[in-house]
Amino acid sequence: GENVEQHPSTLSVQEGDSAVIKCTYSDSASNYFPWYKQELGKRPQLIIDIRSNVGEKKDQRIAVTLNKTAKHFSLHITETQPEDSAVYFCAAKGRNAGGTSYGKLTFGQGTILTVHP
Amino acid sequence: EPEVTQTPSHQVTQMGQEVILRCVPISNHLYFYWYRQILGQKVEFLVSFYNNEISEKSEIFDDQFSVERPDGSNFTLKIRSTKLEDSAMYFCASRQGWRFNEQFFGPGTRLTVL
Repeated sequence: GENVEQHPSTLSVQEGDSAVIKCTYSDSASNYFPWYKQELGKRPQLIIDIRSNVGEKKDQRIAVTLNKTAKHFSLHITETQPEDSAVYFCAAKGRNAGGTSYGKLTFGQGTILTVHP
Repeated sequence: EPEVTQTPSHQVTQMGQEVILRCVPISNHLYFYWYRQILGQKVEFLVSFYNNEISEKSEIFDDQFSVERPDGSNFTLKIRSTKLEDSAMYFCASRQGWRFNEQFFGPGTRLTVL
C-alpha cells in the first residue's frame, strides 16, 4: 500500500521567513495530494491540494509543487505569520489492491510549524 | 457553509464496553470515511463507505469495528469491545462524489478507554 514520509517533524521560523515541508510517497498510481493544517484539538483543514497532472499550484502565500518522477511534493509558505503555527500534514490518495480508488488518504507523520513573532 | 458534524465530542468508556460514534456528513455527499488519530501521531485511515457498503478498510478495522448508515443522514462507527489502545481522536469525513477529491473532516470525537 501507499506510504507517505514527511520531513521535517518540527520547523521553527521567524515571522516573515519562508517555510518548506517535504513529503515523499511510494505508490506511483497516487493522483491527488492534499495538505491539511491542524490546530491544537481541532479538525484537519484543507489548505491546498494538487492533482498529479499539475506540477505546481499557488494560493496567495501558499504553494505546492509536485515531482511525479521523484514521487515527492512540497508545501511552501511565504511571509509566515504567527497564525500559521500549527501541525501540517501531507497526504496522498492512492488505490486499493484491486487498483480502484475510493478516496482513501494516507497521511504523513506531520510537521509542527512554529512561527516566532 | 455546510460542515460535517460529530457526536459526542468526548466519550469515556470502560475497557470491554461497546461505543457508537456518530457522524452527520454533508448532505449531498456520497463517500464517507472514518480516520483515527492517536495523540501526537498522524491521522490513520480506518474505512471508506460508498453506496451502502464498505469499499475499503485498513488492517486496524478488524472484527471489533463496524460502520452503518442507518438512515439518510447519519453515519456511525461502532467498536464492540473497546481496548485501551482504541483511545484516540476519531474523525469522520465525507466527499461529494468521484469527481471531487476534497474530503471534509468533522470536528472529531475523543474516545478515552479506561
